[in-house]
Amino acid sequence: ELKVEQNPLFLSMQEGKNYTIYCNYSTTSDRLYWYRQDPGKSLESLFVLLSNGAVKQEGRLMASLDTKARLSTLHITAAVHDLSATYFCAVDGGSNYKLTFGKGTLLTVNP
Amino acid sequence: DVKVTQSSRYLVKRTGEKVFLECVQDMDHENMFWYRQDPGLGLRLIYFSYDVKMKEKGDIPEGYSVSREKKERFSLILESASTNQTSMYLCASSLLAGPPFEQYFGPGTRLTVT
Repeated sequence: ELKVEQNPLFLSMQEGKNYTIYCNYSTTSDRLYWYRQDPGKSLESLFVLLSNGAVKQEGRLMASLDTKARLSTLHITAAVHDLSATYFCAVDGGSNYKLTFGKGTLLTVNP
Repeated sequence: DVKVTQSSRYLVKRTGEKVFLECVQDMDHENMFWYRQDPGLGLRLIYFSYDVKMKEKGDIPEGYSVSREKKERFSLILESASTNQTSMYLCASSLLAGPPFEQYFGPGTRLTVT
């Protein structure tokens, strides 16, 4: 059974600080997806990482994938309040198109 | 842009009622999914469909059924709603041909069963 673990599950940080969210998964996969969910809203796709060593950046967020370590990171640089949301990572198991999601990281950025 | 719509944002039903949640996507995606989202449990897959009239059980199918009569529409049915089915329900769609298998989500339906 494919398992996806995120940590931390809760993250409270100050504006201007840097931090990293970690996503570990239990099976070989070259594909990892990051989503953002604002309170009361649905999930919005952030990044799709399709190979070992893939790195994608948008604004203050940067995601990377290490398939050998079965690890993806979502790095937040100089956090701002607008980044407050829940962030999910998801992995597809390779044999079909289902995604397995982590439990999500609730990020709160305080002024 | 991919658009996935759900019939209701909020729904209140009574225990024992039959409940229909509708999802429509406009991007000709083959795959469609129903999830429920609960605090502390993340997203859990209820059912998915990879073609018209085809369906497969996800991780928590008990108490639910689905219908896919047209490619763009995927319905989730609660045959006899119970209070433990109070939750946020999310529909998603994706292309069959991949990778990637990026899923696009609808706005969600918050269902309360009293």
